[in-house]
Amino acid sequence: AQSVTQLDSHVSVSEGTPVLLRCNYSSSYSPSLFWYVQHPNKGLQLLLKYTSAATLVKGINGFEAEFKKSETSFHLTKPSAHMSDAAEYFCVVSDLSGGSNYKLTFGKGTLLTVNP
Amino acid sequence: GAGVSQSPSNKVTEKGKDVELRCDPISGHTALYWYRQSLGQGLEFLIYFQGNSAPDKSGLPSDRFSAERTGGSVSTLTIQRTQQEDSAVYLCASSLSFSVRGNEQFFGPGTRLTVL
Repeated sequence: AQSVTQLDSHVSVSEGTPVLLRCNYSSSYSPSLFWYVQHPNKGLQLLLKYTSAATLVKGINGFEAEFKKSETSFHLTKPSAHMSDAAEYFCVVSDLSGGSNYKLTFGKGTLLTVNP
Repeated sequence: GAGVSQSPSNKVTEKGKDVELRCDPISGHTALYWYRQSLGQGLEFLIYFQGNSAPDKSGLPSDRFSAERTGGSVSTLTIQRTQQEDSAVYLCASSLSFSVRGNEQFFGPGTRLTVL
Protein backbone atom coordinates (compact mmCIF):
# COMPACT_ATOMS: atom_id res chain seq x y z
CA ALA A 1 0.00 0.00 0.00
CA GLN A 2 1.11 3.52 -0.67
CA SER A 3 0.44 6.73 1.20
CA VAL A 4 1.57 10.33 1.29
CA THR A 5 1.80 12.75 4.20
CA GLN A 6 2.15 16.45 3.58
CA LEU A 7 3.41 17.78 6.85
CA ASP A 8 1.97 21.30 6.56
CA SER A 9 -1.55 22.16 5.51
CA HIS A 10 -0.61 25.83 5.10
CA VAL A 11 2.72 27.57 4.47
CA SER A 12 3.07 31.34 4.37
CA VAL A 13 6.20 33.06 3.00
CA SER A 14 7.22 36.53 1.93
CA GLU A 15 7.94 37.27 -1.71
CA GLY A 16 11.61 36.65 -2.48
CA THR A 17 12.17 34.22 0.41
CA PRO A 18 12.71 30.45 0.06
CA VAL A 19 9.86 27.97 -0.13
CA LEU A 20 9.90 24.53 1.52
CA LEU A 21 6.89 22.21 1.23
CA ARG A 22 7.40 18.93 3.04
CA CYS A 23 6.26 15.49 1.92
CA ASN A 24 6.84 12.00 3.29
CA TYR A 25 5.70 8.88 1.53
CA SER A 26 5.16 5.22 2.23
CA SER A 27 5.45 2.68 -0.55
CA SER A 28 5.91 -1.05 -0.78
CA TYR A 29 7.79 -0.82 -4.04
CA SER A 30 10.12 1.63 -5.72
CA PRO A 31 7.82 4.58 -6.14
CA SER A 32 7.29 7.27 -8.69
CA LEU A 33 6.76 10.62 -6.99
CA PHE A 34 5.19 13.79 -8.30
CA TRP A 35 4.37 17.32 -7.25
CA TYR A 36 1.27 18.90 -8.77
CA VAL A 37 0.09 22.48 -8.36
CA GLN A 38 -3.48 23.72 -8.44
CA HIS A 39 -4.19 27.42 -8.86
CA PRO A 40 -7.64 28.66 -7.85
CA ASN A 41 -10.34 27.42 -10.22
CA LYS A 42 -7.72 25.79 -12.42
CA GLY A 43 -6.80 22.19 -13.16
CA LEU A 44 -3.88 20.32 -11.66
CA GLN A 45 -0.54 20.94 -13.36
CA LEU A 46 2.54 18.76 -13.04
CA LEU A 47 5.51 20.60 -11.49
CA LEU A 48 8.01 17.76 -11.51
CA LYS A 49 8.39 14.01 -11.15
CA TYR A 50 10.85 11.42 -9.87
CA THR A 51 11.00 8.03 -11.57
CA SER A 52 14.26 6.45 -10.31
CA ALA A 53 16.73 8.51 -12.28
CA ALA A 54 18.49 11.48 -10.66
CA THR A 55 17.41 12.02 -7.07
CA LEU A 56 17.41 15.82 -7.46
CA VAL A 57 14.61 16.68 -9.81
CA LYS A 58 14.13 20.08 -11.42
CA GLY A 59 10.70 21.21 -12.47
CA ILE A 60 8.95 24.19 -13.95
CA ASN A 61 8.96 27.72 -12.53
CA GLY A 62 12.18 27.21 -10.59
CA PHE A 63 10.91 24.43 -8.32
CA GLU A 64 12.94 21.37 -7.46
CA ALA A 65 12.61 18.34 -5.19
CA GLU A 66 15.01 15.80 -3.78
CA PHE A 67 14.16 12.13 -3.38
CA LYS A 68 15.66 10.79 -0.14
CA LYS A 69 14.99 7.09 0.21
CA SER A 70 16.51 6.82 3.67
CA GLU A 71 14.14 9.50 4.94
CA THR A 72 11.22 8.51 2.67
CA SER A 73 10.90 12.17 1.78
CA PHE A 74 10.33 14.21 -1.35
CA HIS A 75 10.33 17.84 -0.23
CA LEU A 76 9.62 20.64 -2.71
CA THR A 77 11.77 23.76 -2.67
CA LYS A 78 12.21 27.03 -4.49
CA PRO A 79 14.94 29.57 -3.70
CA SER A 80 12.80 32.66 -4.10
CA ALA A 81 9.01 32.82 -3.93
CA HIS A 82 6.99 34.83 -6.41
CA MET A 83 3.46 36.10 -5.93
CA SER A 84 2.31 33.84 -8.75
CA ASP A 85 3.41 30.78 -6.75
CA ALA A 86 0.43 31.17 -4.42
CA ALA A 87 -1.58 27.99 -4.95
CA GLU A 88 -2.24 24.56 -3.49
CA TYR A 89 0.47 21.95 -3.91
CA PHE A 90 -0.04 18.21 -3.89
CA CYS A 91 2.57 15.53 -3.31
CA VAL A 92 1.62 12.34 -5.16
CA VAL A 93 2.94 8.79 -5.19
CA SER A 94 2.39 5.80 -7.41
CA ASP A 95 4.04 2.42 -7.21
CA LEU A 96 3.98 -0.94 -8.86
CA SER A 97 2.10 -2.81 -6.15
CA GLY A 98 -0.47 -5.09 -7.72
CA GLY A 99 0.52 -3.87 -11.16
CA SER A 100 -1.49 -0.70 -10.65
CA ASN A 101 1.18 1.92 -11.13
CA TYR A 102 -1.44 4.17 -12.71
CA LYS A 103 -3.12 4.75 -9.36
CA LEU A 104 -2.04 8.07 -7.94
CA THR A 105 -2.30 8.57 -4.21
CA PHE A 106 -2.51 12.25 -3.32
CA GLY A 107 -1.49 14.01 -0.16
CA LYS A 108 -4.00 16.32 1.49
CA GLY A 109 -2.35 19.36 -0.06
CA THR A 110 -0.38 22.36 1.20
CA LEU A 111 -1.76 25.82 0.62
CA LEU A 112 1.07 28.24 -0.15
CA THR A 113 0.45 31.90 0.58
CA VAL A 114 2.96 34.48 -0.67
CA ASN A 115 2.93 37.84 1.07
CA PRO A 116 4.18 41.02 -0.64
CA GLY B 1 -2.66 21.10 -28.69
CA ALA B 2 -5.91 20.88 -26.78
CA GLY B 3 -5.83 19.63 -23.23
CA VAL B 4 -8.34 17.53 -21.34
CA SER B 5 -11.76 19.14 -21.42
CA GLN B 6 -14.70 18.52 -19.11
CA SER B 7 -18.32 19.56 -19.22
CA PRO B 8 -20.24 21.08 -17.64
CA SER B 9 -17.88 23.21 -15.57
CA ASN B 10 -20.56 23.58 -12.90
CA LYS B 11 -23.62 21.49 -12.17
CA VAL B 12 -26.25 22.14 -9.54
CA THR B 13 -28.81 19.42 -9.02
CA GLU B 14 -31.43 18.35 -6.55
CA LYS B 15 -31.00 15.38 -4.26
CA GLY B 16 -32.24 12.22 -5.94
CA LYS B 17 -31.64 13.35 -9.51
CA ASP B 18 -29.19 11.65 -11.90
CA VAL B 19 -26.25 13.56 -13.38
CA GLU B 20 -23.82 12.90 -16.22
CA LEU B 21 -20.35 14.39 -16.36
CA ARG B 22 -18.34 14.34 -19.56
CA CYS B 23 -14.62 14.13 -20.23
CA ASP B 24 -12.76 14.57 -23.52
CA PRO B 25 -9.19 13.29 -23.14
CA ILE B 26 -6.14 14.42 -25.06
CA SER B 27 -6.09 12.89 -28.50
CA GLY B 28 -3.90 9.79 -28.60
CA HIS B 29 -4.02 9.14 -24.86
CA THR B 30 -5.13 5.59 -24.26
CA ALA B 31 -5.55 5.86 -20.49
CA LEU B 32 -8.32 7.85 -18.81
CA TYR B 33 -8.95 8.41 -15.13
CA TRP B 34 -11.65 9.94 -12.94
CA TYR B 35 -10.91 11.46 -9.53
CA ARG B 36 -13.04 13.22 -6.95
CA GLN B 37 -11.85 16.21 -4.95
CA SER B 38 -13.84 17.03 -1.85
CA LEU B 39 -13.13 19.06 1.27
CA GLY B 40 -13.23 16.17 3.66
CA GLN B 41 -11.51 13.49 1.60
CA GLY B 42 -9.00 15.32 -0.56
CA LEU B 43 -8.35 13.81 -4.00
CA GLU B 44 -9.57 10.25 -4.47
CA PHE B 45 -9.15 7.86 -7.39
CA LEU B 46 -12.48 6.67 -8.78
CA ILE B 47 -11.99 4.69 -11.99
CA TYR B 48 -9.43 3.96 -14.70
CA PHE B 49 -9.80 2.99 -18.36
CA GLN B 50 -6.98 1.62 -20.52
CA GLY B 51 -7.75 0.91 -24.15
CA ASN B 52 -10.22 -1.95 -24.52
CA SER B 53 -9.34 -3.57 -21.21
CA ALA B 54 -11.87 -3.92 -18.43
CA PRO B 55 -11.85 -0.74 -16.34
CA ASP B 56 -10.55 -0.63 -12.78
CA LYS B 57 -13.61 0.46 -10.81
CA SER B 58 -12.10 -0.12 -7.40
CA GLY B 59 -12.40 3.52 -6.35
CA LEU B 60 -16.10 4.01 -7.05
CA PRO B 61 -17.74 4.82 -3.69
CA SER B 62 -21.08 3.11 -4.33
CA ASP B 63 -23.12 1.35 -7.00
CA ARG B 64 -24.80 4.70 -7.75
CA PHE B 65 -21.61 5.64 -9.58
CA SER B 66 -20.79 4.28 -13.02
CA ALA B 67 -18.65 5.32 -15.95
CA GLU B 68 -18.19 4.35 -19.53
CA ARG B 69 -15.76 5.21 -22.25
CA THR B 70 -17.05 5.06 -25.80
CA GLY B 71 -14.75 4.32 -28.72
CA GLY B 72 -11.70 4.59 -26.51
CA SER B 73 -12.08 8.35 -26.29
CA VAL B 74 -14.84 10.33 -24.57
CA SER B 75 -15.90 9.20 -21.11
CA THR B 76 -19.07 9.82 -19.11
CA LEU B 77 -19.32 9.52 -15.34
CA THR B 78 -22.89 8.98 -14.18
CA ILE B 79 -24.14 9.44 -10.65
CA GLN B 80 -27.62 8.11 -10.00
CA ARG B 81 -29.92 9.30 -7.23
CA THR B 82 -27.46 11.98 -6.14
CA GLN B 83 -26.89 12.62 -2.45
CA GLN B 84 -25.53 15.73 -0.75
CA GLU B 85 -22.29 13.92 0.06
CA ASP B 86 -21.69 13.59 -3.69
CA SER B 87 -21.01 17.33 -3.85
CA ALA B 88 -17.40 17.69 -4.96
CA VAL B 89 -15.20 18.58 -7.90
CA TYR B 90 -14.89 15.67 -10.32
CA LEU B 91 -11.60 15.64 -12.18
CA CYS B 92 -10.75 13.73 -15.31
CA ALA B 93 -7.21 12.96 -16.43
CA SER B 94 -5.62 11.20 -19.37
CA SER B 95 -2.19 9.81 -20.14
CA LEU B 96 -0.25 7.67 -22.52
CA SER B 97 -0.21 3.97 -21.66
CA PHE B 98 0.13 3.41 -17.91
CA SER B 99 2.78 0.78 -18.46
CA VAL B 100 5.42 3.46 -18.82
CA ARG B 101 6.73 4.22 -15.37
CA GLY B 102 5.86 7.66 -14.12
CA ASN B 103 3.65 8.58 -17.05
CA GLU B 104 2.27 12.04 -16.47
CA GLN B 105 -1.46 12.31 -16.06
CA PHE B 106 -2.89 15.48 -17.59
CA PHE B 107 -5.87 16.85 -15.71
CA GLY B 108 -8.92 18.68 -16.93
CA PRO B 109 -10.36 21.73 -15.13
CA GLY B 110 -13.00 19.65 -13.37
CA THR B 111 -16.76 19.71 -12.95
CA ARG B 112 -18.00 21.24 -9.72
CA LEU B 113 -21.10 19.31 -8.64
CA THR B 114 -23.43 20.75 -6.02
CA VAL B 115 -26.28 18.61 -4.74
CA LEU B 116 -28.96 20.62 -2.94
